[in-house]
Amino acid sequence: KQEVTQIPAALSVPEGENLVLNCSFTDSAIYNLQWFRQDPGKGLTSLLLIQSSQREQTSGRLNASLDKSSGRSTLYIAASQPGDSATYLCAVPPTSGTYKYIFGTGTRLKVLA
Amino acid sequence: NAGVTQTPKFQVLKTGQSMTLQCAQDMNHNSMYWYRQDPGMGLRLIYYSASEGTTDKGEVPNGYNVSRLNKREFSLRLESAAPSQTSVYFCASSDQSTGADTIYFGEGSWLTVV
Repeated sequence: KQEVTQIPAALSVPEGENLVLNCSFTDSAIYNLQWFRQDPGKGLTSLLLIQSSQREQTSGRLNASLDKSSGRSTLYIAASQPGDSATYLCAVPPTSGTYKYIFGTGTRLKVLA
Repeated sequence: NAGVTQTPKFQVLKTGQSMTLQCAQDMNHNSMYWYRQDPGMGLRLIYYSASEGTTDKGEVPNGYNVSRLNKREFSLRLESAAPSQTSVYFCASSDQSTGADTIYFGEGSWLTVV
């Protein structure tokens, strides 16, 4: 049974710092891994999707990496800004025959000005 | 692009009342989902619809019913609301035909049952 874990649950950093958010999964047979951002009182916005054949994916100041063999993905945020404050979740898609995306419980990030 | 649209955004119900949450997507996706999100519990799947005409239970289906009205629309009904159903509800959709596509979420519906 696939399990997705995100550590730490919460993180506070000063503005300008580079930071890494972690996502671990127990079953390496995944199609892809997706990172989301959720602002308070809002829905989930997709940030990056890494296909199983890829090692990393970049969008602006965000870089997501995927190491299937170790069951890990990291989201790297460069030069953090107060506007990056949000909860970041990772998710893996359903395995064959099911339709249940597995979500981590998220890392709540606060970037201090 | 509208993406996934759900209504209402906020609702207060009395215990025992019924209501329906509406969801529509304009991305021609086959699969649609209803999740609830509670503090410390993460996202939990209530029901999903793999394709038009089919629906299946997720992790926490009790107290809910769904209807996949057509390919675009997937509604969630609370027949007799209970305080335990106070939550944020998210509709989502994806194209499971390839098994590798992004899942898109609506903005959420905040439901309070008093």
